[in-house]
Amino acid sequence: DIQMTQSPSSLSASVGDRVTITCRTSQIISTYLNWYQQKPGKVPKLLIYGASSLQSGVPSRFSGSASGTDFTLTISGLQPEDFATYYCQQSYSTPYTFGQGTKVDVK
Amino acid sequence: EVQLVQSGAQVKKPGESLRISCQASGYSFTNYWIGWVRQMPGKGLEWIGIVYPPDSNTRFGPALQGQVTMSADKSISTAYLQWSSLKASDTAIYYCTRSRSGIFDYWGQGTLVTVSS
Repeated sequence: DIQMTQSPSSLSASVGDRVTITCRTSQIISTYLNWYQQKPGKVPKLLIYGASSLQSGVPSRFSGSASGTDFTLTISGLQPEDFATYYCQQSYSTPYTFGQGTKVDVK
Repeated sequence: EVQLVQSGAQVKKPGESLRISCQASGYSFTNYWIGWVRQMPGKGLEWIGIVYPPDSNTRFGPALQGQVTMSADKSISTAYLQWSSLKASDTAIYYCTRSRSGIFDYWGQGTLVTVSS
């Protein structure tokens, strides 16, 4: 099974900050990496698929990139509605494992 | 509009059986796998598995393989997750999702399962 290592597990940031979350996979998965956002008590929402493609309706301040087994989610200009937990997930092979999550809260 | 509507919250005792459902609409049910994701209280997302509606073919993750059954009834565009004997550790929110080549693009509202004596 492919292991996912997401970091940091939490971070504190302010509105307007640039935030970066990293996900490292245990093997090469090309760009089969997706990012989800979950707000407290809410259903997870797909943000980015294929490492860098923005899901329809997602603001352009969210972006993703890939380099080997390292993947990055960047929020450029954090907004109040962005305080949430973010998860990476690989869709290269089953089981389609998730990362442990990164909670972004208010500094 | 794509929608996945899940059955309501359940409270069960250890050892009881349970089946929860996920009814899809707004797309061709037989063209996409349905995925199931578990979220235990205060924890992250955990991939349970996927089921292919045309023939109920399944792929399981390691955590729940052998513990649950996944199936689908294409005649009513509904997928199911079933337990034969619940444990307290099954207490969680269970989400169904539409799986587009492993990408979970639409999610149900979640079903809270509470197992307590």
